[in-house]
Amino acid sequence: EAQVTQNPRYLITVTGKKLTVTCSQNMNHEYMSWYRQDPGLGLRQIYYSMNVEVTDKGDVPEGYKVSRKEKRNFPLILESPSPNQTSLYFCASSSLGRGEETQYFGPGTRLLVL
Amino acid sequence: SQQGEEDPQALSIQEGENATMNCSYKTSINNLQWYRQNSGRGLVHLILIRSNEREKHSGRLRVTLDTSKKSSSLLITASRAADTASYFCATDASGANNLFFGTGTRLTVIP
Repeated sequence: EAQVTQNPRYLITVTGKKLTVTCSQNMNHEYMSWYRQDPGLGLRQIYYSMNVEVTDKGDVPEGYKVSRKEKRNFPLILESPSPNQTSLYFCASSSLGRGEETQYFGPGTRLLVL
Repeated sequence: SQQGEEDPQALSIQEGENATMNCSYKTSINNLQWYRQNSGRGLVHLILIRSNEREKHSGRLRVTLDTSKKSSSLLITASRAADTASYFCATDASGANNLFFGTGTRLTVIP
């Protein structure tokens, strides 16, 4: 089954404790992206990747890092999480990343930073 | 930011009625997409309309696009309780490599 998976689905952590949210897709998509969703703000893009070893900042990259060492994986790294990073995070992928491409979303990771 | 805005923010209707949601955006686009999100879950693609199209249908969905007004509407006909969800429009700026999502319309269909 074609899908985007994220782990963990739920995470509670404390300020400053490094964490990684994994994202994997099995559709051989070149384009992958991370979004955060907050009430009243919709989805905002954090980082995206057009292909292996190619990553770019989205609208709200501060406090986040990503890597794209393999085509299928695109982990999101919070080196020193802060409470304002409490949010619902989504990973997404598409074939080529252009606007005519449908994006496939993961199930989401709900993060609480205390 | 090119982020779009949906209107209304929330909509509550009776089952069987039609639901109309609007999306406005700021810059020229190549395409506009509509996505659906059930509570707390990932978004699911519904329909894409290109900038040279004015109207598109898919089942009970009808999407219109007015590039002169930089706006789009999503009409769901004969709504069902299962249509209860949030609906987002997403646009791509000409030459951009990503989508910009709106803030969403929360639709509640009352059985």
